[in-house]
Amino acid sequence: DAKTTQPPSMDCAEGRAANLPCNHSTISGNEYVYWYRQIHSQGPQYIIHGLKNNETNEMASLIITEDRKSSTLILPHATLRDTAVYYCIVSVKDDKIIFGKGTRLHILP
Amino acid sequence: DVKVTQSSRYLVKRTGEKVFLECVQDMDHENMFWYRQDPGLGLRLIYFSYDVKMKEKGDIPEGYSVSREKKERFSLILESASTNQTSMYLCASSLVGRRNTEAFFGQGTRLTVV
Repeated sequence: DAKTTQPPSMDCAEGRAANLPCNHSTISGNEYVYWYRQIHSQGPQYIIHGLKNNETNEMASLIITEDRKSSTLILPHATLRDTAVYYCIVSVKDDKIIFGKGTRLHILP
Repeated sequence: DVKVTQSSRYLVKRTGEKVFLECVQDMDHENMFWYRQDPGLGLRLIYFSYDVKMKEKGDIPEGYSVSREKKERFSLILESASTNQTSMYLCASSLVGRRNTEAFFGQGTRLTVV
């Protein structure tokens, strides 16, 4: 299974772009990169996913390097409500979603 | 709005009791999951079901069983609850066989075993 490496925590000033990195050097050619986040005391929430190309939706942008060994989730204008644990997932073996430890993002007022 | 509903938000049970955690989804998803979440350990997969009456063990199935008699409902059973099963339990569902689709999670059940 492909594994991910994320920094345990990050800070970002409110209103600035939050850039959350993820390394997935063992990703295979047909594995997607998914991002979820978990706000305190709630279930995880899907944010975005991608295979090769960069993706954007109403919540975030996902930038995947050309070699697919790493990616960055971008929250363009972070707010206090974006304070959460962010999970980068590439291991979806047989549809099973395996979570790592994620990055705890603190948005500073 | 798509929805995964867990029957209880908070639950307190006694050691040795048989405990049922219920999860219902209204999206006609084939896959359903049960996770537990503990501080410092993250979300760990307990059981996974990819169809009615079908199940697979996850990373930590010991002390748990599951039941999936109908597509929309996935139950987690603690046969004899113990204090080390005090945890947040999360249910999720997703479409089967598609690598480019997301999972939807319930709000969680915080179980305390005393």
